[in-house]
Amino acid sequence: AQSVTQLDSHVSVSEGTPVLLRCNYSSSYSPSLFWYVQHPNKGLQLLLKYTSAATLVKGINGFEAEFKKSETSFHLTKPSAHMSDAAEYFCVVSGAGRRALTFGSGTRLQVQP
Amino acid sequence: SQTIHQWPATLVQPVGSPLSLECTVEGTSNPNLYWYRQAAGRGLQLLFYSVGIGQISSEVPQNLSASRPQDRQFILSSKKLLLSDSGFYLCAWSAGGTSFTDTQYFGPGTRLTVL
Repeated sequence: AQSVTQLDSHVSVSEGTPVLLRCNYSSSYSPSLFWYVQHPNKGLQLLLKYTSAATLVKGINGFEAEFKKSETSFHLTKPSAHMSDAAEYFCVVSGAGRRALTFGSGTRLQVQP
Repeated sequence: SQTIHQWPATLVQPVGSPLSLECTVEGTSNPNLYWYRQAAGRGLQLLFYSVGIGQISSEVPQNLSASRPQDRQFILSSKKLLLSDSGFYLCAWSAGGTSFTDTQYFGPGTRLTVL
C-alpha cells in the first residue's frame, strides 16, 4: 500500500521569500509522484510530476520538486513567493495499478504582502 | 486540447432529495474517469472510477452511485441525499486504454450543500 504525509498543514511566507512545502511518501514499488494546487472553490491543477526520469522536476509557475529516494521525500519549492501562490497544495502518489491516486491531507500556503 | 466540464457548479439540496451531477470530457477518447469527494478541511477521497462505458468500480460503500452512459460522460447520482453527502465533488480524467497514464486532470468541481 502507498501513503503520503504532508508535514505541514499550514505554511505562511512573505511575498518574495522562498517556499518549501514538505511531503514524505511510502510505497512498496516505484510510484509516480505529483504536486497539485487548488485555489479556493476551484478544481485541482497539476503543478508537476515525477516519473523517475530525473530527480529534480520543474513544474509550472516556477515551482520545482526534488525526489529523494533515501529520504522518501518529494518536497516542493519555489525561490520567490508571489501573492497568487496562496492556495492549497496536495502531494499525491499513484496507487497499485496506477489508476488510483493517494492524496496527502494538503498544505495551505499563505503569502503575506 | 482536452477540457473537462462539470455541472452544476453549486447545488443546494434538501435531505432525502435525489442527486445528479454530470461530468463530460472533450478532446480525447476512451478516457479513464474518476469521481472524488472533498469534505471540508479534508483531502480527496476517490468514490468511483471507470475505464469504459458501463464499467464502474466503487471505492467506498455509500448511498451514491455512478454511471457512464457515453464514452466521455460520467454521472454521479443518489436516490436520497444525506447530510454527510455535503462536500466538493471533483471529476477527473486520465488517458485510458493503450495510452494509459496515471496523470489525472481535474474538472472545476461542484459544491454540494445538503440541508
